[in-house]
Amino acid sequence: EDQVTQSPEALRLQEGESSSLNCSYTVSGLRGLFWYRQDPGKGPEFLFTLYSAGEEKEKERLKATLTKKESFLHITAPKPEDSATYLCAVQAGNSGYALNFGKGTSLLVTP
Amino acid sequence: DSGVTQTPKHLITATGQRVTLRCSPRSGDLSVYWYQQSLDQGLQFLIQYYNGEERAKGNILERFSAQQFPDLHSELNLSSLELGDSALYFCASSVDPRGRDNEQFFGPGTRLTVL
Repeated sequence: EDQVTQSPEALRLQEGESSSLNCSYTVSGLRGLFWYRQDPGKGPEFLFTLYSAGEEKEKERLKATLTKKESFLHITAPKPEDSATYLCAVQAGNSGYALNFGKGTSLLVTP
Repeated sequence: DSGVTQTPKHLITATGQRVTLRCSPRSGDLSVYWYQQSLDQGLQFLIQYYNGEERAKGNILERFSAQQFPDLHSELNLSSLELGDSALYFCASSVDPRGRDNEQFFGPGTRLTVL
C-alpha cells in the first residue's frame, strides 16, 4: 500500500532561520511527487512536481529535492508570509492519477 | 486564484439530508478530481472524471456519487448525510492526467457541516 509520511508535524522558525521539511514515501511506480502549500480554510496551492531521483526545483525561498525514498522542501531565510501547511503527495503509476497526500507540516514563521 | 471554482462556499444541513456540490474546472482542463479533507484523515481522494467519464475511484462511500457534464463542470452528490461527513470538499482539475505536466489545481473548497 502506498504511504506518505511527513515530518515534522509542526515547525516553528524565526524569520531568516532556514530549515527543511521531509516527505518519506513508499509507492509502486512513482509517476510524480507533488508539493502544495495550504493556508487555513483555503484550497491547496500547487508549488512543485518532481518526477525522478536527483531532480530539484526552486521557487523564491523554496527548493524541493527528490531521492528514491524521500523528498525535502528546503526553506531559505523564511518570512512570516511563508507560514502555512505544506503538503506532499505522490502519484503512483498503478493507481490512476489520484494524489495520495501526507498529513502535512504546519509551519509558523515568527518575526 | 487557481481558476477552479466551487459552489457553495459553505453548506449547513441536517443528518439524513442530501446535498450537491458543484465544481467548474480551469478553462481547458479535461479532468476533474474530488477530495475530502477532515481533521483526522487529511486529504483523501474520492473520485476522478476525464472528459465526462469516470476514471478512478478512491475511498468514496456508496452514499456519494459524482458526474461530469458535457461542459466539463462536475457535481458531487452526498446523500443520507451523517455527522462524520462534515468536512472540506475540494475539487481539482488538470489538463490531461496522462501528460507529463499533470499537476492538479485546487478550488477554494466547500465546507460542509452536518448537524
